[in-house]
Amino acid sequence: NAGVTQTPKFQVLKTGQSMTLQCAQDMNHNSMYWYRQDPGMGLRLIYYSASEGTTDKGEVPNGYNVSRLNKREFSLRLESAAPSQTSVYFCASSESNRRNTEAFFGQGTRLTVV
Amino acid sequence: EDQVTQSPEALRLQEGESSSLNCSYTVSGLRGLFWYRQDPGKGPEFLFTLYSAGEEKEKERLKATLTKKESFLHITAPKPEDSATYLCAVQTGTEGYQKVTFGIGTKLQVIP
Repeated sequence: NAGVTQTPKFQVLKTGQSMTLQCAQDMNHNSMYWYRQDPGMGLRLIYYSASEGTTDKGEVPNGYNVSRLNKREFSLRLESAAPSQTSVYFCASSESNRRNTEAFFGQGTRLTVV
Repeated sequence: EDQVTQSPEALRLQEGESSSLNCSYTVSGLRGLFWYRQDPGKGPEFLFTLYSAGEEKEKERLKATLTKKESFLHITAPKPEDSATYLCAVQTGTEGYQKVTFGIGTKLQVIP
C-alpha cells in the first residue's frame, strides 16, 4: 500500500523557473494538503483541498497555485520560483478536514532555488 | 492566534532512561491534539490523537496525555530506534475547515 506518493524527491531550480510538484494518494481520502517545512518553524499549510473540486488558501499561499486533478491527485505549482521558496514540501491527505482525523504524509520534496 | 510550543527543542537520553516531551498550547476551541513522529528525510508519521483533558493513549514505549493547557509524550525505557523528531499539532475550529497548527518539534536522540 503506497499511501501518499510525491514526485520528485529532490529538485534544484533557478530563480524565475517554474515547476509542478505532484502528489497522489491511494487511500480514497477526501481531503489533501500541501505543507512546507523550514528549519526552526513548524509545518505551515500552503493550500488545501477539502474535497474533489475545491481548493482553499492556507497560511502561506503567496507564490503558489494548486490543482485538485481528481480525488487521488493534488499538485502544487510554483510559477516563478524565488530563493524564499527553498524548503521541504510535504503533501498529506486525510479522510476529512471536518472531523478529527489524522493526516498521512508523503516522503517530501526537497526544493532548492538558487 | 493559535500557538503550539514544544519543549525541549532537543533531548539526548541513554537507552533505558525514561523522560517526557512537552507540548503546551494556546488555542480557542481545541478539537484534537495530534502527536507525530518524523524520521530524517521522511514525512511525519501519525502516533496519537487526544480529544479531551484527562485522556491518555499508549503505544509500545510511548504514552500521550492531555490537560487543558498541555500534552506530554512519555517515553519509557527508550531504545535507539525511538530516535526521531516528535511533532505536536492542535486542531481547532467549529465549522468548515478545522485548522491544524504544528509545533516545531522535539528532536530525541537515544544513545545505546
